[in-house]
Amino acid sequence: GENVEQHPSTLSVQEGDSAVIKCTYSDSASNYFPWYKQELGKGPQLIIDIRSNVGEKKDQRIAVTLNKTAKHFSLHITETQPEDSAVYFCAASSMKLTFGQGTILTVHP
Amino acid sequence: KAGVTQTPRYLIKTRGQQVTLSCSPISGHRSVSWYQQTPGQGLQFLFEYFSETQRNKGNFPGRFSGRQFSNSRSEMNVSTLELGDSALYLCASSLQSGANVLTFGAGSRLTVL
Repeated sequence: GENVEQHPSTLSVQEGDSAVIKCTYSDSASNYFPWYKQELGKGPQLIIDIRSNVGEKKDQRIAVTLNKTAKHFSLHITETQPEDSAVYFCAASSMKLTFGQGTILTVHP
Repeated sequence: KAGVTQTPRYLIKTRGQQVTLSCSPISGHRSVSWYQQTPGQGLQFLFEYFSETQRNKGNFPGRFSGRQFSNSRSEMNVSTLELGDSALYLCASSLQSGANVLTFGAGSRLTVL
């Protein structure tokens, strides 16, 4: 089955800096790659996703890149703000979502 | 538009008991997936239901079961509870089965004593 590796497990940045989280996947059949943000006491919330026919997607301060050949994809957050502090999960899917282990992002004011 | 609703939000059980968790999907969503979230294992896929049929199943023992009703509401049941079943159980709904956008509920926090 699919295996998703996510790095780093924790990431600490200063407000205004950029943050990058990287994931690799194993199943070449995976064609959908979402990113979720989970705040304390809440369920994961979709923040951006990309499908395998696209190499990059951007939504304001958030961007995702996908390299199908290398089987890796990354989340980029620019101009980080304290409210970006949360746990971020990547996932890969062909028929069901398999999640990475999560990255705890802390943005210091 | 109401989101995904999970009940109960918190519950405490003892070993050997059973538990039933409920999930009401977003109106119009026909697929419901269940995930177990623990600090050590992260988000683990349990199963997915679409049009009252189980479409996919994760690697969990038979003590974990689920079902979906004609109105797309879903329940999951865990029998003979073990300490290791303590977790946040998340339900997510989507329009269709397969690789689609999932909208998660807030989860049901189960503690087994």
